[in-house]
Amino acid sequence: QKEVEQNSGPLSVPEGAIASLNCTYSDRVSQSFFWYRQYSGKSPELIMSIYSNGDKEDGRFTAQLNKASQYVSLLIRDSQPSDSATYLCAVNINYGQNFVFGPGTRLSVLP
Amino acid sequence: DAGITQSPRHKVTETGTPVTLRCHQTENHRYMYWYRQDPGHGLRLIHYSYGVKDTDKGEVSDGYSVSRSKTEDFLLTLESATSSQTSVYFCAISDPTSTETQYFGPGTRLLVL
Repeated sequence: QKEVEQNSGPLSVPEGAIASLNCTYSDRVSQSFFWYRQYSGKSPELIMSIYSNGDKEDGRFTAQLNKASQYVSLLIRDSQPSDSATYLCAVNINYGQNFVFGPGTRLSVLP
Repeated sequence: DAGITQSPRHKVTETGTPVTLRCHQTENHRYMYWYRQDPGHGLRLIHYSYGVKDTDKGEVSDGYSVSRSKTEDFLLTLESATSSQTSVYFCAISDPTSTETQYFGPGTRLLVL
């Protein structure tokens, strides 16, 4: 069983809609969770981090964490074509600096 | 942008030859990482370093070695390249005393023929 799983997509949404990206993880002691965005041919860049159960909002982005269900999600409101990218979920396991990434979900926002 | 550079940015080599990739940072971050990224697998950790001369293996370390003689430089060596090591290699840095955020370099595309 992979430690961090994501639906590979592609996930297609119309411009202005809400895009919902999901991630599940297997290590119950994981404490830190991250969403990175990666444009084609570029390096990953951090969008949000979340450490506590509940929602965390930053502009059009909302991260949601449910540790009991081992589930973290990213919502993108008012999706724009410029949001079209691959979104990587990352989990810091074992309290160390050992980050495990999911395979990524490719998002396509259609004009 | 975090000051991270990788060299070379592109490399084509032949099976059996040694290859060294370099990661250089100007942020004085303690932790440095090497990942490879392949379709369907996402980013997989090869090796990481938590200080000068302090390194540890990641998920996919077989066939790779690393060295860190200075805070700013982290080298990844493929002793004898194989076609399965064709990939995009990313270096990353983090400073756990302030944040767990990882900052990534621009990547190196390696093709092993």
